[in-house]
Order: sequence, then structure tokens, then C-alpha cells
Amino acid sequence: DAKTTQPNSMESNEEEPVHLPCNHSTISGTDYIHWYRQLPSQGPEYVIHGLTSNVNNRMASLAIAEDRKSSTLILHRATLRDAAVYYCILRDREAGGTSYGKLTFGQGTILTVHP
Amino acid sequence: NAGVTQTPKFRILKIGQSMTLQCTQDMNHNYMYWYRQDPGMGLKLIYYSVGAGITDKGEVPNGYNVSRSTTEDFPLRLELAAPSQTSVYFCASSYPGRGAKNIQYFGAGTRLSVL
Repeated sequence: DAKTTQPNSMESNEEEPVHLPCNHSTISGTDYIHWYRQLPSQGPEYVIHGLTSNVNNRMASLAIAEDRKSSTLILHRATLRDAAVYYCILRDREAGGTSYGKLTFGQGTILTVHP
Repeated sequence: NAGVTQTPKFRILKIGQSMTLQCTQDMNHNYMYWYRQDPGMGLKLIYYSVGAGITDKGEVPNGYNVSRSTTEDFPLRLELAAPSQTSVYFCASSYPGRGAKNIQYFGAGTRLSVL
């Protein structure tokens, strides 16, 4: 599986934007870029995913580099509730492929949000 | 919908005891997964299932067994508990397929200590 590289930790102030980077230089053409986050003492939750184009949803935005070797998760206005570990994960396009849709978690980025 | 439900939430076992971690989902998902998460680490896949009656090993299957007799349930069995199995266990489920269907939904976890 192609790997991702994320900073170990980042800090932000409440109500400021946060840009969480992810490098994935060995990404294949069939890999989606997924982001999950894990709030303290909870299971991971899906945040957003994309393939080539930038994506927006109610939680965040995903900016994908033109060569797809890096991406950035953008939280437009961080809140205290956004303090979590953020995981950038590459997934084969179809869960029915040989990977059976498994998620390969790295250590992620610990986001601290200051009041 | 309840989503993915795991029981128990906490458990302490003695070395050599056995137990079953329960997982059920009400989203009619074909795919189900068991992960473990050691302190400060990302999740690692133990077993997965692509449908009733079909299971397969993930990265760290040793010491565990699973079964999938129904679409809804995917129990994880520890036969002879060892201290190395002290961890937080997460169950997840998803549809197969592309795009928005290729998202995993996680339970709240079972915190297991083996002493």
C-alpha cells in the first residue's frame, strides 16, 4: 500500500483556519485520498475524501495537488471540538479490490486547539 | 440508526481467560472489520469480512478468531488472553464500491486490559 507522511502534531487557535498537510508521493492512479479523525476516547470518524479535484463538505475542505503527491485538509474555523488525531489514508478506488477496503492507519497528526 | 455498536465498553481479563467482543451494525453493510489500537499508535487490522460466512486475516490475526454468521454481527474471540492483547478494539463496517460508499463507520471501542 502506498504510504502517507504527516507531521506528528500541529497547534491552532480557536476560530482560526487550520491546514493539515499530507504527503503521498507514491500514490497510484486508483487511490482515493481519505481523511479520518479520532476524537479523544472515540473511534475514528470519516471527514472527507477525494480523487483529483478539491472537495468541500460541511466538516472540511480537501485541497489536492495537481500531481496528487500531496494534499491538505482545511478546517476553516477550528473549534475546541476539532482537537483530535487526523489521519490521511490512501484507499484503493474500490473496496471490492484486493485491499478489501481496509484502512491503513499511520500515526496521524495530533491537532491541539487553543481557546 | 444506531450505527456500529460494540459491547462491552471495558473489560479486565486475567491471563489465559477467554472472551468474545461483540459488534453489530444496522446499516446492512457487507464489509466488517476489527482493528486494535495500542497507546499512541494508529489502528491495525486484525480480521475482516466481506459478507456472511466469509472472513479473512488482516495484519495482526494471531491470538484471535472471528465468525460472520449474519450480515449484522461480527464477533471477535480471544481464546487465551495474553498481556500483549491489552489494547482498544474497534469494529467498523462499510459498503463495498466506489466513492461515497467506500467509507468506514466505527464503533466506540472496547477497552481491554489483560493482567
